[in-house]
Amino acid sequence: EAGVAQSPRYKIIEKRQSVAFWCNPISGHATLYWYQQILGQGPKLLIQFQNNGVVDDSQLPKDRFSAERLKGVDSTLKIQPAKLEDSAVYLCASSSGQISGNTIYFGEGSWLTVV
Amino acid sequence: GENVEQHPSTLSVQEGDSAVIKCTYSDSASNYFPWYKQELGKGPQLIIDIRSNVGEKKDQRIAVTLNKTAKHFSLHITETQPEDSAVYFCAASIGSNYQLIWGAGTKLIIKP
Repeated sequence: EAGVAQSPRYKIIEKRQSVAFWCNPISGHATLYWYQQILGQGPKLLIQFQNNGVVDDSQLPKDRFSAERLKGVDSTLKIQPAKLEDSAVYLCASSSGQISGNTIYFGEGSWLTVV
Repeated sequence: GENVEQHPSTLSVQEGDSAVIKCTYSDSASNYFPWYKQELGKGPQLIIDIRSNVGEKKDQRIAVTLNKTAKHFSLHITETQPEDSAVYFCAASIGSNYQLIWGAGTKLIIKP
């Protein structure tokens, strides 16, 4: 079974530029998550989708971050304009549903450096 | 807000010895507690989990214990090996969407 796919793996941009990350979840997984992981910290949830609807985006900085999952499968996360503090690993994850105990599977992450 | 505290932040043990990582959660309604292992340059990977109706769960060299009254749970790794070196995260479920609140992580170093 293929895992969660993410691209690009690495990206370096200047502050105020924009960047987009793409994620393809495990086939059949209805729930998709985007996490931000700053070096030395645990993952922080940015947004959670159930199919193509947003379940929770309370921690998404909506003035600069946006995410979509138009057809309920793959998803994109965009940052515009980027700030230095956005340097982090952006992890996409998926699970089969919202029921407690459904395993969340992570991709390898997209490493962003803002200079 | 709800949080999960994880200790220690760094743990160094001799190869073959046991390692224990502890977490404390604040939401008494939490009912699912996974442990993830993250190797350098990779995403977190689930290694073991436990639900609130169980006090202990084992999988070969790895075990997790849960004390609901005290609201803490622990990861136990026995007979540690070099490939156990990684960062370990605990998490606890919260809310109606069963989101996870994560600990800050423990860097486990296995000394040869």
